[in-house]
Amino acid sequence: KNQVEQSPQSLIILEGKNCTLQCNYTVSPFSNLRWYKQDTGRGPVSLTIMTFSENTKSNGRYTATLDADTKQSSLHITASQLSDSASYICVVLYNFNKFYFGSGTKLNVKP
Amino acid sequence: EAGVVQSPRYKIIEKKQPVAFWCNPISGHNTLYWYLQNLGQGPELLIRYENEEAVDDSQLPKDRFSAERLKGVDSTLKIQPAELGDSAVYLCASSALMNTEAFFGQGTRLTVV
Repeated sequence: KNQVEQSPQSLIILEGKNCTLQCNYTVSPFSNLRWYKQDTGRGPVSLTIMTFSENTKSNGRYTATLDADTKQSSLHITASQLSDSASYICVVLYNFNKFYFGSGTKLNVKP
Repeated sequence: EAGVVQSPRYKIIEKKQPVAFWCNPISGHNTLYWYLQNLGQGPELLIRYENEEAVDDSQLPKDRFSAERLKGVDSTLKIQPAELGDSAVYLCASSALMNTEAFFGQGTRLTVV
């Protein structure tokens, strides 16, 4: 069964600290993996897109990694800011045909 | 460049009433998606269009939901009649191709009372 599982479900960190969010998937065949940031009351915004041949991709303080062998991805946020408080959603494209969404990790950055 | 535009942003209706949502995708984007998102959950696909053709509507509850994308540009999603369980955020997204970046609108938050 094609699934995308994210952990933790929620996370609270202090401003300035780093954190890592996890995404495990069973989707096969895999086309690409995306990380989205969704602020409360807004639509998701793309952070990174990675194909199976890419191991890491950065977007400012956000760095995504991908291990296609173990079907795991992580999103690392460096020097967190209050504006990083949001839900982060992992999305896997199956066979260039269908997206599978994780339930998201809700990050709360406190001052 | 304008992003994906959705309207209205919020809608409150009584159960059994009809409701419609509108989406204007990014110019030139052939692929358009409608998603439903419940609180604390990831989006769930309702329907995907390639130009004006609905290529994946397997998750659309066709007894009460309908959608159209005339001329392959704007799209509307309709619910008739609405039920309490339809309360959610309805997101529209578009992409140039299926495997390229998808851009989301801000969504329409529907509350059925």
